[in-house]
Amino acid sequence: GQNIDQPTEMTATEGAIVQINCTYQTSGFNGLFWYQQHAGEAPTFLSYNVLDGLEEKGRFSSFLSRSKGYSYLLLKELQMKDSASYLCAVKDSNYQLIWGAGTKLIIKP
Amino acid sequence: GAVVSQHPSRVICKSGTSVKIECRSLDFQATTMFWYRQFPKQSLMLMATSNEGSKATYEQGVEKDKFLINHASLTLSTLTVTSAHPEDSSFYICSASNLAGGDADTQYFGPGTRLTVL
Repeated sequence: GQNIDQPTEMTATEGAIVQINCTYQTSGFNGLFWYQQHAGEAPTFLSYNVLDGLEEKGRFSSFLSRSKGYSYLLLKELQMKDSASYLCAVKDSNYQLIWGAGTKLIIKP
Repeated sequence: GAVVSQHPSRVICKSGTSVKIECRSLDFQATTMFWYRQFPKQSLMLMATSNEGSKATYEQGVEKDKFLINHASLTLSTLTVTSAHPEDSSFYICSASNLAGGDADTQYFGPGTRLTVL
C-alpha cells in the first residue's frame, strides 16, 4: 500500500526553528509537495521537491532524500501566524497525489 | 498567478435539496481539477478528478450519481451534491493544475465551501 507518515502535532516557540518530517512509501515517485493549511481554510502551496537536496524559499525550506523516502519542511524565525497544519503529499507513478494526514504546528509565545 | 476561486464559500440547506459548487481558475487554464472533502480534524480526501471535456474519475466509495461533476471549460468545474443529507455536511475544496506552469502540475486550491445540511 501507499503510505505517508508525518507527526500528528508539534509545538514550537515564536522565533525558533522547527523541522517537520515526512516519510513515504509509494508506488513510484514523481515529486513531493508541502502545503500549509490554516484551520477552516483551504491548503496553500509551499514547496515542491523532485530532486534530492534542499530548496529554500524565504523562512521556509524543504529537503528531499529519494533513496530514504524522506522529506522535511524547515520553518525558521517562527511567527504566530505559522500556527497551522502542514501537509506532505507525494505524486506516485500514476501522477496521483497521495496525501499525508498533516502535522498540526502550535506556536507558543 | 494561479488563483482559484470557489463559490459559494458557505451554504446551509435542507435535507433532500441539491447544492451546486463552482470552482474557477482565474488566471490560468486548468485541464484538470480535483474535488476534495475534508471532515473536521481529518485529512483531505480526494473525491474525484475532473478533466475538461470528459467524464470525471471518481475515487472508490464516492457515489458518482450523488456527486455530479461537470468540467465544461478550462476554467470552470462544478460539483453538485444531489439530495444532500446531514452526513454530507463537510468542507468541500477544489483544486486546479496549471497547464502551462513549470511547477510539475502543482495543485492550487480554492478557498473551500462549507456545506451544512440540516
